Amino acid sequence: EDQVTQSPEALRLQEGESSSLNCSYTVSGLRGLFWYRQDPGKGPEFLFTLYSAGEEKEKERLKATLTKKESFLHITAPKPEDSATYLCAVLDYGGSQGNLIFGKGTKLSVKP
Amino acid sequence: DTAVSQTPKYLVTQMGNDKSIKCEQNLGHDTMYWYKQDSKKFLKIMFSYNNKELIINETVPNRFSPKSPDKAHLNLHINSLELGDSAVYFCASSQDRPGGHRNEQFFGPGTRLTVL
Repeated sequence: EDQVTQSPEALRLQEGESSSLNCSYTVSGLRGLFWYRQDPGKGPEFLFTLYSAGEEKEKERLKATLTKKESFLHITAPKPEDSATYLCAVLDYGGSQGNLIFGKGTKLSVKP
Repeated sequence: DTAVSQTPKYLVTQMGNDKSIKCEQNLGHDTMYWYKQDSKKFLKIMFSYNNKELIINETVPNRFSPKSPDKAHLNLHINSLELGDSAVYFCASSQDRPGGHRNEQFFGPGTRLTVL
């Protein structure tokens, strides 16, 4: 069965303290790994798509990387406005009819 | 210039009632989805339509019935509401089918359904 596990569940950082969020997955055939940001009371906001191991993408203070088993979302010198829940999702066209399988998210809090 | 919109944002109703949630996207996308996010914030696919055709129908009670009048709209009708239906429901859209190349999904703001 497809699984997506995110860790940690919650992360508290001081402003400027860099860190990484982890998303590990087990799928029969990865067709894409997606990162989303979700603010309280809002819908998930698309951040990145990664398709193959070794691929990296960056956006402002965020950098997403992908290996064959996991993805990392690196946050460099975070600011309070980066506080949100970060969701990882995988697309496994082979085993799940093309559904996005979401992890439970990592809730990030950045204190000034 | 809202991309994916949903109405209503909040819905409070009694057990046993029938209710509908509407979704519209102005992105010109071909595929639309309904997701349920439970109290533990876990987001799970319910349905997907591509060009008005049902392509994903996960194991949800048949009290839930999606309807797509055109490819820009996907509504969700729920019959005989139960306490366990309380959740946030999100609509989303993507250019292609999930297995396609342009499969990034863009989400609406959500509808918080509370069944009393």
